[in-house]
Amino acid sequence: AQRVTQPEKLLSVFKGAPVELKCNYSYSGSPELFWYVQYSRQRLQLLLRHISRESIKGFTADLNKGETSFHLKKPFAQEEDSAMYYCALKSGSARQLTFGSGTQLTVLP
Amino acid sequence: SAVISQKPSRDICQRGTSLTIQCQVDSQVTMMFWYRQQPGQSLTLIATANQGSEATYESGFVIDKFPISRPNLTFSTLTVSNMSPEDSSIYLCSVDRSGGADGYTFGSGTRLTVV
Repeated sequence: AQRVTQPEKLLSVFKGAPVELKCNYSYSGSPELFWYVQYSRQRLQLLLRHISRESIKGFTADLNKGETSFHLKKPFAQEEDSAMYYCALKSGSARQLTFGSGTQLTVLP
Repeated sequence: SAVISQKPSRDICQRGTSLTIQCQVDSQVTMMFWYRQQPGQSLTLIATANQGSEATYESGFVIDKFPISRPNLTFSTLTVSNMSPEDSSIYLCSVDRSGGADGYTFGSGTRLTVV
């Protein structure tokens, strides 16, 4: 069965500092991975997906199949990045998402 | 991406009663998903609702406790039956309109408190 692990429940960085939110997964097939973000009092929304290799709001994430990781990175954190971040995996046959436990990012002024 | 309207946004219910949560999508979708997010926890899939067939429940969730309706391709309901305080959670619906290529869209959630 698939599993998504986010080892950090809480993460605090100062404004302008680099930030990395860790995500590891276990899945025997070829995964599709996503990062979702939930800002305070807002609904859960897609941040980025690995298949598009895009950069959204300065965030990037690279799928490393050797390390089974999909860490989220941003070189210079901003206060508005403070939110809950979830890593999620969609397996090949099923269409539902399996979520990690989430990381609450706080960017300090 | 699809727009989802979910209601109620919150409710406080007495134990032993039932609450039905509605999810309306602005376009036709094949599958709708219902998730639960318990306090301080991540999202857990309850069931997948397909139009015209019975919902598929995940391990630990049963139809008698969480009956689901899917009368058409734009609407679904989830009922939380015979509630207890342990059912206090946020319940969310989600749709995947494009095979996951555009990601999944989530409703705003229903915050349920059972007293």
